[in-house]
Order: sequence, then structure tokens, then C-alpha cells
Amino acid sequence: DAKTTQPNSMESNEEEPVHLPCNHSTISGTDYIHWYRQLPSQGPEYVIHGLTSNVNNRMASLAIAEDRKSSTLILHRATLRDAAVYYCILANAGGTSYGKLTFGQGTILTVHP
Amino acid sequence: DTGVSQDPRHKITKRGQNVTFRCDPISEHNRLYWYRQTLGQGPEFLTYFQNEAQLEKSRLLSDRFSAERPKGSFSTLEIQRTEQGDSAMYLCASSSRGRLTDTQYFGPGTRLTVL
Repeated sequence: DAKTTQPNSMESNEEEPVHLPCNHSTISGTDYIHWYRQLPSQGPEYVIHGLTSNVNNRMASLAIAEDRKSSTLILHRATLRDAAVYYCILANAGGTSYGKLTFGQGTILTVHP
Repeated sequence: DTGVSQDPRHKITKRGQNVTFRCDPISEHNRLYWYRQTLGQGPEFLTYFQNEAQLEKSRLLSDRFSAERPKGSFSTLEIQRTEQGDSAMYLCASSSRGRLTDTQYFGPGTRLTVL
């Protein structure tokens, strides 16, 4: 499985934008970039995913570098409820294992009031 | 859409006992996954089913672990002769297979403590 690298932790203030980086220099052409987050004492929650183009949804935006070796999850206005562990995951669309998610350590996001 | 449910939410057992967990996926989701998460770590893949067929098992799934998904609906994960190292959160997720990739919806997990 292709590996991702994320900072261990980040901090933000409430109502400010947050940019969570992820490096994936060994990404293959068929790897989708997925972001999940896990709030305390809950199961992971899907946030967003993309392949090449930037993506927006109601939760966040995903900015993907032109060479696809890095990406950034953007929370436009952080709230206290966004405090969670954020996981950047590569999921291969080919083969028989593309359903499997390989989680790393993730980034612990702390949001200050 | 009631989400993925898991039962029980917590289980405390003594070493050597057998335990069984249940997962009810989102209805009409044909893919179901089990993951295990220990404290401070990200979830680790254990196994997944497409309908009733178990298509992949991780090396983490020792002979003491067995998973089933009869009729392609709910799934059970059984651990026989539990060991203290089995203490973890067991997470279930389901998805509806997309053309190129899928989005997984996770349940709240079953926290297992082996004494």
C-alpha cells in the first residue's frame, strides 16, 4: 500500500481556516486520496475524496497538487466539533483490494475556543 | 438510513473465553468491513465481505478469529480463546461499491477488554 505522511498534531482557533497537509510521494495513477476523521469515542467518518481535481463538499475542500504527491484538507471555518484525528488514506481503484482502507497515525487537530 | 450499528458497544471478558460481536450495515450496502483499533493507533483492516463472500482476510486475523456474513446482511466476528492482546476497539464499516472507489460508513465500534 502506498504510504502517506501527516503531521502528528495541529492546532487552530475556532472560526479560523485549517489546512491539514498530507504527503504521498509514492502515489500511483489509480490511487484515490481519501480523508476520514475520527472524533473521540466514535468510529471514523468519511470527509472527502478525490483523484486529480480539487473537490468541495459541505464538510471540507480537498486541494490536490498538480503532481499528486501531496494534498491538503481545508476546513474553511473550524468549530470545536472539528476537533478529531484526521486520516489521509490512499485507496487503489484497481485490483481486488480497493475497498480496504489503510490508516496511518493521522493528525490530531485541536481547536481552541 | 439508520447508519451502521454494532452490538454490544462494550464487552469485558476473561482470558480464554469466546466472544462474538455483531454488525448491522446500512441496508443495501453490499460491502462490509471489519477493522481493529488499539489505543493511539489508526484502525487496522481485518477482513471484508462482498455480499456473503469473504473476499480478503488480513494476516492479523489469526485462527482464533472468524467472521461470517450469512445471507449478505448482518455480520458476526467471533474471537475464540481470547487473549489480553485482543483488547481493542472492533469497528465495522459498510459501503456500496462504487465504480472506481467507495466510501465507507463506520459504526460506533465494540470495545473489548480482556482481563
